[in-house]
Amino acid sequence: EIVLTQSPGTLSLSPGERAILSCRASQSVSRTHLAWYQQKPGQAPRLLIYGASSRAAGIPDRFSGSGSGPDFTLTISRLEPEDFAVYYCQQYDSSRLFTFGPGTRVDIK
Amino acid sequence: ELQLVESGGGLVQPGESLRLSCAASGFSFSIYSMSWVRQAPGKGLEWVSYITTGGSAKYYADFVKGRFTISRDNAKNSLYLQMNSLRADDTAVYYCARVGGLYDFNSWGQGTLVTVSS
Repeated sequence: EIVLTQSPGTLSLSPGERAILSCRASQSVSRTHLAWYQQKPGQAPRLLIYGASSRAAGIPDRFSGSGSGPDFTLTISRLEPEDFAVYYCQQYDSSRLFTFGPGTRVDIK
Repeated sequence: ELQLVESGGGLVQPGESLRLSCAASGFSFSIYSMSWVRQAPGKGLEWVSYITTGGSAKYYADFVKGRFTISRDNAKNSLYLQMNSLRADDTAVYYCARVGGLYDFNSWGQGTLVTVSS
């Protein structure tokens, strides 16, 4: 089973700053099957990035994804007030298993 | 407008059963694989189960194998999760999610809370 590790656990930044979130897999992961989600308190998760670097519909271009197995990155170029949330990476592998990382919380500094 | 609406959650005792439903609208339900994902209070996301478009293939996380059964009724645009032998650690918000072509979860319901407690 592939394990995803996200770092840092919490990122404290100010609006306007750049956020760089990391997702590392315990073994090589197809970049095709790597996604990122945003979740705000009391809300369902929202897909941000799929296929490691493609933005989902309606996602602002300040969100970008990059990387290849096992290391992936979600970058938020300039944090807006609404971007403070928890971010999860997720992968799918050939064992027909879906795995989520533990999440990175982006807090207002 | 695309919508996924879960229902069926509630408070049950350990060992009891519950059936969750997810009503889909605003898209062609029958051409999408679907999944259930859960989130325990204050914890992260955890994939539970997956079903293909016609229901012929079903996959489960190890922690629910033999206890939970996923199913769908394409004529009713509905997804289900039958949960048996519930345990305290099954307490969570259960989300239904539409699966995209690259095995991402591209749409989510609002979730339904399942609480297992004596």
